[in-house]
Order: sequence, then C-alpha cells, then structure tokens
Amino acid sequence: AQSVAQPEDQVNVAEGNPLTVKCTYSVSGNPYLFWYVQYPNRGLQFLLKYITGDNLVKGSYGFEAEFNKSQTSFHLKKPSALVSDSALYFCAVRDRYTGGGNKLTFGTGTQLKVEL
Amino acid sequence: DAGVIQSPRHEVTEMGQEVTLRCKPISGHDYLFWYRQTMMRGLELLIYFNNNVPIDDSGMPEDRFSAKMPNASFSTLKIQPSEPRDSAVYFCASSLVLAGHNEQFFGPGTRLTVL
Repeated sequence: AQSVAQPEDQVNVAEGNPLTVKCTYSVSGNPYLFWYVQYPNRGLQFLLKYITGDNLVKGSYGFEAEFNKSQTSFHLKKPSALVSDSALYFCAVRDRYTGGGNKLTFGTGTQLKVEL
Repeated sequence: DAGVIQSPRHEVTEMGQEVTLRCKPISGHDYLFWYRQTMMRGLELLIYFNNNVPIDDSGMPEDRFSAKMPNASFSTLKIQPSEPRDSAVYFCASSLVLAGHNEQFFGPGTRLTVL
C-alpha cells in the first residue's frame, strides 16, 4: 500500500522568507514523488517530480524539493516566498513497482499563505 | 495542446436529476482519472481507465455513479439520481505512462451543486 502525509494544514510565511511545505510518504518499494499546486477555482497543476537520480529536484516557479530516503520525506521548498505563491499544495506518491498503473495517492493538502 | 478539457464548468441541478460530466483527455495519453474534491473529504479518486478500460472503480461512492470511456478522446461521469451530498468539484486528469512521464494533468474541474 502507498500513503502520503502532509502534517500541516496551513503554513504561514512572510514574503521574501524561505518556505517549506512538509511531506512524508510510505511505499513498499521505491517511490515516484510529486508536488502539485492548486490555485482557487482551478485544477491541480504539476510542479515537480522525483523519479530517480539527484535527490534535489527543481521545478516550476522557483520551487524545489529534496528527496530523503532515510526519512521518507519529500519536502517542498522555495528560497524566497512571494504573495503569489499562496495556494493549496498537494504531495503525491506512487510505488514504482506496483501493478496499479499510474494511480497516485495524494496527501490532504497544505494551504500556504504568504503575507506582506 | 489545449490540455484536459471538462464540461460543463458549472452545473446546478435539483435532487433526483441525472447529471453528466464530460472530459476530453490530452491527445495520446493512455490513462484517465476522475476525482472528486470537497472540503470535508479532500481529493478522492473515483475511477481510472487505461486505454479506455476501467481499471479501478473502488472509489466510486455508490451505484448512482457510473463512468464510461467509449474512446480515447472522451469520458463521462454520470450521477443518477443526484443528491445534495454529491455537491463537489469533479476533476478529470490524464497521463501518459512512459518511463519518467507519470505526472497527471488535471482539467479545470466541474463545480456541481445539487439543490
């Protein structure tokens, strides 16, 4: 079985400060990991993914995420937050070796609020 | 590419009526997913298809819900009869499963309100 946890319902950060949105996962094998962002009244947009290789993954809009196998984490980060980054962020996981096709398991989402 | 297309964007109906939501996936994608999003339950996977064949419908809440994919470019999600608790945003997503291409692309959603 595969699962993902986003321990924070909301993260508040001041504009210009670094931000971190946390994600931990559980799979029986090796994971594919994803981050998505959802702006109000919009569908989810793909931000970045970890498939294999370098543990630091860079994505859209200056976001990056670090895969940590020992801690089973895939935290989303950005060095300097913008007010326009305020949105709902979802982490998702897929076990690389399951026969479940391309089924992703999504976390419950973390609301990021960036204030001036 | 236009991305995943969903229609209608908004639907307001009365309890007991039939509702049909439509989705056109990205051309060439071989997986299609239907999700439901509510404040209370978050994002739920309802059903997904591979090459037009339903693979897993364990998330479909009850027999009132049905989904079809008659061809690679079209899918429907039907609720009959609809109930107020079906009010939610319904998303369709598609994906191409090749090495390194597992991300799903979401449509804009259909906001369903059942009165």
